Amino acid sequence: DVKVTQSSRYLVKRTGEKVFLECVQDMDHENMFWYRQDPGLGLRLIYFSYDVKMKEKGDIPEGYSVSREKKERFSLILESASTNQTSMYLCASSALTVAKNIQYFGAGTRLSVL
Amino acid sequence: GIQVEQSPPDLILQEGANSTLRCNFSDSVNNLQWFHQNPWGQLINLFYIPSGTKQNGRLSATTVATERYSLLYISSSQTTDSGVYFCAVTFRNTDKLIFGTGTRLQVFP
Repeated sequence: DVKVTQSSRYLVKRTGEKVFLECVQDMDHENMFWYRQDPGLGLRLIYFSYDVKMKEKGDIPEGYSVSREKKERFSLILESASTNQTSMYLCASSALTVAKNIQYFGAGTRLSVL
Repeated sequence: GIQVEQSPPDLILQEGANSTLRCNFSDSVNNLQWFHQNPWGQLINLFYIPSGTKQNGRLSATTVATERYSLLYISSSQTTDSGVYFCAVTFRNTDKLIFGTGTRLQVFP
C-alpha cells in the first residue's frame, strides 16, 4: 500500500514564526503536492513538484515556499506564519504517468497560528 | 470555466439505507477519483474511475465520460460511512487535480 506520512497531525504556532511541514512518501513517486483545505473553499493547490529540486506554483502560493531535496520528501515552509494560514494542510503524491495519475494523500496537518 | 459539481451537498441517512452521490464535470477528463474524508481529515482513495464501472464491497462507482458525470453508490450504509465524499478530476491537457465541493454524509444508527 502507498503510504504518505505527514510529520505532525496538529501544530500550534505563533504569528511570525517560521513553520516547516514535512511530508514523506514510500512509493518512489515522482509527483508530490501540497494543498490546504478551508471550510467553504474546498481543497486548493499551493505547490507541487515533478522531481527532485523542481517546484511549480499552484493556485495559492503566496506566503509559502517548498523544498524537495530528496525524491521521497516534500517540505512546505511558511516563512513568517500569519493567522490567515490557519488551516488543514494535506500532502499527496502520485506516479509520473498521465494515463493513471492517482493521487494518494497523507493524514493531514491541522495548523493553528495564534 | 472548468467546474466539478457534486450533489447533493448534504445527505442524512439511517443505517442500512442506500444512497447515490453524483459528480458532474464540465470537460473531458484524464483522471477521476472518488475520496472519502473521514472525521479526522484523512482523504481515503475509494476509486480511480475515469470511465466504466467498478465495485468494492458495498461501494460501487460508474463514470459515463461521454456525458460528463460519475456516480458513487453506497449500499447498506453504516455509521462509519459518515464523512465528506469528494470527486476530483484532471482535465485533458492539464496536470492539476480539481476537487468538487463535496457531499457531506451523516449516517445515524
